[in-house]
Amino acid sequence: AQSVAQPEDQVNVAEGNPLTVKCTYSVSGNPYLFWYVQYPNRGLQFLLKYITGDNLVKGSYGFEAEFNKSQTSFHLKKPSALVSDSALYFCAVRAPRSGGYNKLIFGAGTRLAVHP
Amino acid sequence: AAGVIQSPRHLIKEKRETATLKCYPIPRHDTVYWYQQGPGQDPQFLISFYEKMQSDKGSIPDRFSAQQFSDYHSELNMSSLELGDSALYFCASSLRDRSSGELFFGEGSRLTVL
Repeated sequence: AQSVAQPEDQVNVAEGNPLTVKCTYSVSGNPYLFWYVQYPNRGLQFLLKYITGDNLVKGSYGFEAEFNKSQTSFHLKKPSALVSDSALYFCAVRAPRSGGYNKLIFGAGTRLAVHP
Repeated sequence: AAGVIQSPRHLIKEKRETATLKCYPIPRHDTVYWYQQGPGQDPQFLISFYEKMQSDKGSIPDRFSAQQFSDYHSELNMSSLELGDSALYFCASSLRDRSSGELFFGEGSRLTVL
């Protein structure tokens, strides 16, 4: 069965510093990996995805993520954090060969707090 | 650009009552997904529909049912509500055969059961 693990409940970082939000996955075959962000009482907003190709994926708002097959990881990164980046971040995986349906399995989420 | 529309945004019900949530997908999207997010929890997949047929089923209670209509909108019906049903319910839509794979989420419907 496919699963996603986000080992940190919360990540604290000072504004201007680089940030990393960790994600590891377990899935048979080559995974489709996603990051979503959720602001309070709001829906999930798509940030970026890895399907195939370059292991470094760039997404919205200056975020990027690195796919590492050997470590089964897909960590979210940003070179310089902003206070406005403070939100809940979810990593998600979709199994390949799922019949074209895009059901995603989400991790538990990591709360990012960026301090001025 | 048009997004996924969910209604109502907030709903308060008593135990044992029924509730209906509606979802209008992005135009031309043929697949709809329902997720439930409890307080401090990750979104849990409930059910999905493709071309008005159920395409997948997750952890949806038997008290819940859903369907997709000819105009592709979907409704989630919840009966005999329990306190534990209080959650944020998300609808998402996508194109089935689009290889990119991301889901587009609505803003959610917050159900409070008293």
